[in-house]
Formats: sequence, structure tokens, C-alpha cells
Amino acid sequence: TQLLEQSPQFLSIQEGENLTVYCNSSSVFSSLQWYRQEPGEGPVLLVTVVTGGEVKKLKRLTFQFGDARKDSSLHITAAQPGDTGLYLCAGVRAGGTSYGKLTFGQGTILTVHP
Amino acid sequence: NAGVMQNPRHLVRRRGQEARLRCSPMKGHSHVYWYRQLPEEGLKFMVYLQKENIIDESGMPKERFSAEFPKEGPSILRIQQVVRGDSAAYFCASSPSGVWRGHTDTQYFGPGTRLTVL
Repeated sequence: TQLLEQSPQFLSIQEGENLTVYCNSSSVFSSLQWYRQEPGEGPVLLVTVVTGGEVKKLKRLTFQFGDARKDSSLHITAAQPGDTGLYLCAGVRAGGTSYGKLTFGQGTILTVHP
Repeated sequence: NAGVMQNPRHLVRRRGQEARLRCSPMKGHSHVYWYRQLPEEGLKFMVYLQKENIIDESGMPKERFSAEFPKEGPSILRIQQVVRGDSAAYFCASSPSGVWRGHTDTQYFGPGTRLTVL
């Protein structure tokens, strides 16, 4: 059973379209991060959200943390071929002392066709 | 400021050999984390270390795997008597502290070491 369920697993769209990737859990997270990973490289941090209901924008990317801190979404407006890659959500469960233990979703492979 | 460095980037071992993976954290970072990415699976936490201390090793296999982060030098992930199932990408991440304002500090990832066991 995956603690963080990410959907969809694959997304293939045309340039200019909008898309949303979801990250859901039945557990509460103290913080949640979104990463992007290129083939043969390590994950690169895009954003960290820590407050329930928080919304952060990074150019054409909008990140939202659910009010109950159990879910998050990544929305991309007017996708471009350069957005192609693997998007990962990751978080630290609230409570306990597992501060360093990031739990990752399975990832969403995004392909944007020109 | 150089990022997290890992070497080697690619490592090939035969079954039964030992694999040593090295991680140099970002300058000023004293917390190191190791993750494993198996084919067709997501990243899985293995171990969290601070200088000379293991903080959380709950994700480490019980046998053959060990990790250290000495006072001087890089962090080492050691796999003894490797088996084919150990083939994976191993990522190291570092952070300046474990906790920042009550939340897990941001972790910065290295490029990974791709281990292939023949």
C-alpha cells in the first residue's frame, strides 16, 4: 500500500494544454515537497508547502496543499515541451520523530508534445 | 556552491562483491539521507545520518547494508555480497539541519549512483 498515492501515473498532452497532478494520502503530513526528476539525474526540488490550504506559484506552476494536509496538487498552465519529465511528490508524516524520512509518491511521467 | 556530489555515477559489480557508494553533502550541510530507487518503483528512504551518528535506519535492509557519515570525509553506503536485486539507483540527499521552524528541512539530492549487479 502506497502512503502517498500520485495520479495520474502517465500524462501525455499537447503543448499549450493545462494539466493537474494529484498527490493523496489518508495520513497527515507536516510538509510536502514537489520534485522534478530528469532521466539519469536526481530529483530537483520545485517547492515545499507546510501550511494547510497554502498555495504557491512558480511561473506557470501552481502548487496547493490541502486544508487537512493530507493531499496536494500541482497544476501546470500552458504546458511546454520543456516541462516534460518525472514529477514526484514527497512528504514527512506529521507526529513522531521521523523528521528526515521523506515518503515519495510513485511519480507522474509527463510528456508534452510540440 | 557545489551541489551534492555522488561517486561513482555508475558501478558494476558481480554477485558476491562489495559495493561502496560515496556522498559528499553540500557545503555547510551536516545531515545526509540515502534513498533507493528500484526499477519501476518510487524512491524509498533507507537511512538518515548526522555527522558520526545514525539518526534513523528504519529503511535499511537488515543484512548486508550499512552506512556511515564520519567526522571527516563523505558519507558511505556499503553493500556487502551484492545480489541482482540490489541493482538500483541510489540517491543521497543533504540538508543544513534536520528540522527548520518545526518542519523537516529541505533535502537537496545528488545525481545518484546507478548500481548494476551482474
